[in-house]
Amino acid sequence: DTAVSQTPKYLVTQMGNDKSIKCEQNLGHDTMYWYKQDSKKFLKIMFSYNNKELIINETVPNRFSPKSPDKAHLNLHINSLELGDSAVYFCASSQRKFQETQYFGPGTRLLVL
Amino acid sequence: AQKVTQAQTEISVVEKEDVTLDCVYETRDTTYYLFWYKQPPSGELVFLIRRNSFDEQNEISGRYSWNFQKSTSSFNFTITASQVVDSAVYFCALSGSSNTGKLIFGQGTTLQVKP
Repeated sequence: DTAVSQTPKYLVTQMGNDKSIKCEQNLGHDTMYWYKQDSKKFLKIMFSYNNKELIINETVPNRFSPKSPDKAHLNLHINSLELGDSAVYFCASSQRKFQETQYFGPGTRLLVL
Repeated sequence: AQKVTQAQTEISVVEKEDVTLDCVYETRDTTYYLFWYKQPPSGELVFLIRRNSFDEQNEISGRYSWNFQKSTSSFNFTITASQVVDSAVYFCALSGSSNTGKLIFGQGTTLQVKP
């Protein structure tokens, strides 16, 4: 029944490791997003895909690589994790790419030690 | 540039009080949408409302109401007769026609409702 789901919910890892976060939506939406919420709760867009095509790529280190195998899935792979990557990562989806309501997943809390 | 400002970092009220959360935005787009989201202590982001720039009618949903004023670029959120369950971080967000769909979030306002 979950509309937008993310796995894992928590991720604790060492500096330098590579990790992935998965996101799936069952709403039939065309567009998916990754947002980062820092320790001060500030939310910022990272990436967006529309029908598997990358449409937003904010200034994000290229250690972060999104992948969309189909329009229901958007994964985030992070190479060579750094302490500053510790944050909550939210996946979201919307019907279309412009000005539509975005529905968020539960978030993945990443802690890099 | 587009920007959303929520000047109130934290608000504390006692249950049953009314409380207004302020949101001021900046955009050069003539077509844009404004949103409010709630983030309870459990951490998820819950959609509350979406309003387009051409609709200045105020909206009421139960104890929640929203006041949109283009003249002052504000989209304020009022909770009437607050309850402990309203305790959360509330985010105002903007999506303009020029920004390919991304949400620009304000800094968030932490609301604490005490019994």
